[in-house]
This record gives sequence, structure tokens and C-alpha cells, in this order.
Amino acid sequence: KQEVTQIPAALSVPEGENLVLNCSFTDSAIYNLQWFRQDPGKGLTSLLLIQSSQREQTSGRLNASLDKSSGRSTLYIAASQPGDSATYLCAGSGGSYIPTFGRGTSLIVHP
Amino acid sequence: DGGITQSPKYLFRKEGQNVTLSCEQNLNHDAMYWYRQDPGQGLRLIYYSQIVNDFQKGDIAEGYSVSREKKESFPLTVTSAQKNPTAFYLCASSVGLAGGIAKNIQYFGAGTRLSVL
Repeated sequence: KQEVTQIPAALSVPEGENLVLNCSFTDSAIYNLQWFRQDPGKGLTSLLLIQSSQREQTSGRLNASLDKSSGRSTLYIAASQPGDSATYLCAGSGGSYIPTFGRGTSLIVHP
Repeated sequence: DGGITQSPKYLFRKEGQNVTLSCEQNLNHDAMYWYRQDPGQGLRLIYYSQIVNDFQKGDIAEGYSVSREKKESFPLTVTSAQKNPTAFYLCASSVGLAGGIAKNIQYFGAGTRLSVL
């Protein structure tokens, strides 16, 4: 059964800093890897989805990479802003296409 | 606007009571999901449905029941058998459960917070 781990659990950075959030998974037979954002008390918003045949996806200041051989994905946020403060979750899907979620990284970007 | 609507936003359950959480989508998606989120935890899958009149148990289905009589609706009932129901419940949908980026992106509702009186 797929297990997904996210490190660190919490992160606080000053505005403008580039940062990396890490996600590791145990089953390399992964079909896709999604990154989500969750604001306090709200639902999840899909940020990026990387299929197993891809190495990375980019959207604006966000870049997500996938390395199946090492069981890792990273979410890179460039020039962080206070509005980026949220919890970021990753989820890996295998052959069933049902995602398994990590516990998330709680990010605070302070002015 | 297309999206997923969950209601109510807050719900309180009395001892021995069954309560039903509503989830409606107008995205014309085939697949729908229910997740439970506890503080500091990731999402855990309760039930999912790929098509109308069909649904499958997830990792923590005990004490919950669902129905999928219409494509756009996937209500979740928290029964009295669920002894620890206090949590944040999230409904999601996707185009389907198959290959292709577009089919696998999940869209979420705003959630229902359930507490026990």
C-alpha cells in the first residue's frame, strides 16, 4: 500500500524567499502525483499534477518535479508571498488512480 | 459557475443519531469521493463512486454509508455505528478514474465540519 510522507511538517519563511517542499512515496509504481493547496477550514485546490511519464510541471511561480526512482517529488515556490501561506498536500496515485495523501506542510510566509 | 457544493458547512450529531452530509456537483464528472480529515492528518478515503448506482469502500468505510442515485449527487451518511465522527469531511470529484491528466485532477468542495454534542 502506498504511503506518502511530507517533510517538513511546518515551515516559516520571510517574504521573497525561494522554497522547496518535499514529498516522498513508498511505491515507485506511481501513476501520477498531485500537489494541492488548502487554506484553513477550506477544501483543497489542485495546483499541479505530474504523470509518471513526466519529470516536472510548471504553473506561474510553482514548479513540481517527480523522480520515480528515488520515490520523491518536490514543489518549488519562487519568490514567496504572504498570500502563499497555506497547507500544501501531495497525493500519489497508483494503478487504481485513487490518490493517497500526505499529511501536508503548513507554510507561513511573513512580511 | 461549475463546482462542488457541500452542505451544511457545520453539523452537530447527537448520541445514537444518523446524519447525512450533502455533496452536489455540476461539473458532469463521473467519479466522486468522500474523505475524512482529522487535525494534522492527511485525507483518508471513506467511499468513492465511479458511476451512478455503483460505489466502493475506501480505507475507513466502517460506520459510514453512501448512495449514488444521480450523477451529480453523492450523499454521505454518518451512522451511529461511527463512534468517533468528529472531523472535517471533504467531497471531491474527477472526470473519471482512468488514464490522462484531465481525468485524474480532483476538485474539492468547501467541506463540512461535523461535531458531536
